[in-house]
Amino acid sequence: AQKITQTQPGMFVQEKEAVTLDCTYDTSDPSYGLFWYKQPSSGEMIFLIYQGSYDQQNATEGRYSLNFQKARKSANLVISASQLGDSAMYFCAMREVYNQGGKLIFGQGTELSVKP
Amino acid sequence: DVKVTQSSRYLVKRTGEKVFLECVQDMDHENMFWYRQDPGLGLRLIYFSYDVKMKEKGDIPEGYSVSREKKERFSLILESASTNQTSMYLCASRTGLRSGEQYFGPGTRLTVT
Repeated sequence: AQKITQTQPGMFVQEKEAVTLDCTYDTSDPSYGLFWYKQPSSGEMIFLIYQGSYDQQNATEGRYSLNFQKARKSANLVISASQLGDSAMYFCAMREVYNQGGKLIFGQGTELSVKP
Repeated sequence: DVKVTQSSRYLVKRTGEKVFLECVQDMDHENMFWYRQDPGLGLRLIYFSYDVKMKEKGDIPEGYSVSREKKERFSLILESASTNQTSMYLCASRTGLRSGEQYFGPGTRLTVT
């Protein structure tokens, strides 16, 4: 069965430093996609970055990069040069490509606090 | 710009009431989803729909039903609200293409007293 695990309920990072949020996944499907979402205190879910299981390169989007290690089934989010506005909940999610509707399975989330 | 709207940000209902949560998207997306979010549990899928009048149960459908009469609108119905349905409810939509992320609405925080 599909599963996403985020083992860090809460993380602290100093402003301007880099931080890594951990995510491991489990699936028997060879084709899948991995997503990271940010949820500020206002509640909306904001899409950050996507990695396909067959992508050769790690995905990057501005200050966000995804450290994809397929053999270890991990998809860690790296935020470089943290900003105060990065304080939020972060969710890792997975979608098996051929499942109907493209439903996502989410991890439990990591609450990131950026200290000035 | 992509937009998913939900009818209410905050809602307070009494036990036993019938509750309707409405979601509308303006992106002509085929797929729509309802999740509930609880601390420590992440987001859990209640129901999804991949076409008008089509629906599929998610991981926690008990106590809920859905309706999709038009492509842009997906409604979540709590037939008889209970206190354990107090939660944040998030609606999302996505295109039917293989790739593509889900776009989320702002959420409805429902309290059942």
